[in-house]
Amino acid sequence: DTGVSQNPRHKITKRGQNVTFRCDPISEHNRLYWYRQTLGQGPEFLTYFQNEAQLEKSRLLSDRFSAERPKGSFSTLEIQRTEQGDSAMYLCASRRPGEVQEAFFGQGTRLTVV
Amino acid sequence: EDQVTQSPEALRLQEGESSSLNCSYTVSGLRGLFWYRQDPGKGPEFLFTLYSAGEEKEKERLKATLTKKESFLHITAPKPEDSATYLCAVQSGGGADGLTFGKGTHLIIQP
Repeated sequence: DTGVSQNPRHKITKRGQNVTFRCDPISEHNRLYWYRQTLGQGPEFLTYFQNEAQLEKSRLLSDRFSAERPKGSFSTLEIQRTEQGDSAMYLCASRRPGEVQEAFFGQGTRLTVV
Repeated sequence: EDQVTQSPEALRLQEGESSSLNCSYTVSGLRGLFWYRQDPGKGPEFLFTLYSAGEEKEKERLKATLTKKESFLHITAPKPEDSATYLCAVQSGGGADGLTFGKGTHLIIQP
């Protein structure tokens, strides 16, 4: 069990640029989640995948955000035309199939939009 | 809409001074309540899952309990390494699969 891996750990970008983050889940976990966390707040749910299917999107996920999980393995989260309000920690989590199972988080990608 | 409220927002204790953190929740059918620990600049680390009222779980100096409206994380004789932000989250039966988190309790244990 190597844990959930996220890359890059830090990203600084200029406003208006596009950025892409990658998440590699724990290998036997078929569910993968993206969350966003800002300073002093708990993580907020963005979207989740069961295998390669994106099953749920939060209202927080504007049309500038897109997530993919080709072949049900790693996932990418892209933000187009970044805004300063996008600055946050982006967290990925994965879990085993089943009604209620604990999710394991990666170390996150810290995005700063300048 | 699911809601999770944690209190206090911050808590400073002396080493060895036991206390409890509170997590109040409102959900449409609780499927599970989760406690996580988060260190600065890192992702949340899983601690416990509680499924039904009356359930308790323990791990080292931590004990989590659950009622129909709230959960407590009891910390017994804490050490400085227990300093972290403790997050509570719920998974509801309303069809949504993502977790709803509280804002967390920032715990500082002074030597």
